[in-house]
Amino acid sequence: GQSLEQPSEVTAVEGAIVQINCTYQTSGFYGLSWYQQHDGGAPTFLSYNALDGLEETGRFSSFLSRSDSYGYLLLQELQMKDSASYFCAVDPGGFKTIFGAGTRLFVKA
Amino acid sequence: GAVVSQHPSWVICKSGTSVKIECRSLDFQATTMFWYRQFPKQSLMLMATSNEGSKATYEQGVEKDKFLINHASLTLSTLTVTSAHPEDSSFYICSAGGESTEAFFGQGTRLTVV
Repeated sequence: GQSLEQPSEVTAVEGAIVQINCTYQTSGFYGLSWYQQHDGGAPTFLSYNALDGLEETGRFSSFLSRSDSYGYLLLQELQMKDSASYFCAVDPGGFKTIFGAGTRLFVKA
Repeated sequence: GAVVSQHPSWVICKSGTSVKIECRSLDFQATTMFWYRQFPKQSLMLMATSNEGSKATYEQGVEKDKFLINHASLTLSTLTVTSAHPEDSSFYICSAGGESTEAFFGQGTRLTVV
């Protein structure tokens, strides 16, 4: 079976740093992705980790530990526009994407 | 990144009618496309995997006779919701697989059945 666990919601203030954790249990694993989704919109790709370690893309960084079946998304210098849902997703192979339940991030002024 | 176009972006239909949603990969050939359904404030749930030229593979609990999927070409997959009922109202999103590890999503279709 496949399961991904992430917090249901997180609240932070503008300018702060927030970390969204994700643990997974899947029958196949090629990599961990993160997607951002604003209300009413489609998911947009943020990052993909296939190997252990930290990947940095601007204000967003993503980390993976395959041995721990764990990853996280780190958002720095939070802005109001970062308020959205963030999904971790496992690539079990074959271009399929299995999504976690999502974390709603609320950024306050 | 690659572009996936989904149409229509929203549709309202009467209960008992059928609705067709199109998913097109505009600048690459997608041998595999995926259809997801998302209820409000919930995650994207994979409904089926659509392979060009062959039958779709449905996830457990998804009625293949109700959600008809056709993938007739490398750039087009369609999802038809047959005999729609209010409980089918949801956000339907397609994604296409290409050469990279990134899944490219369509804009989504918000279906409301009245």
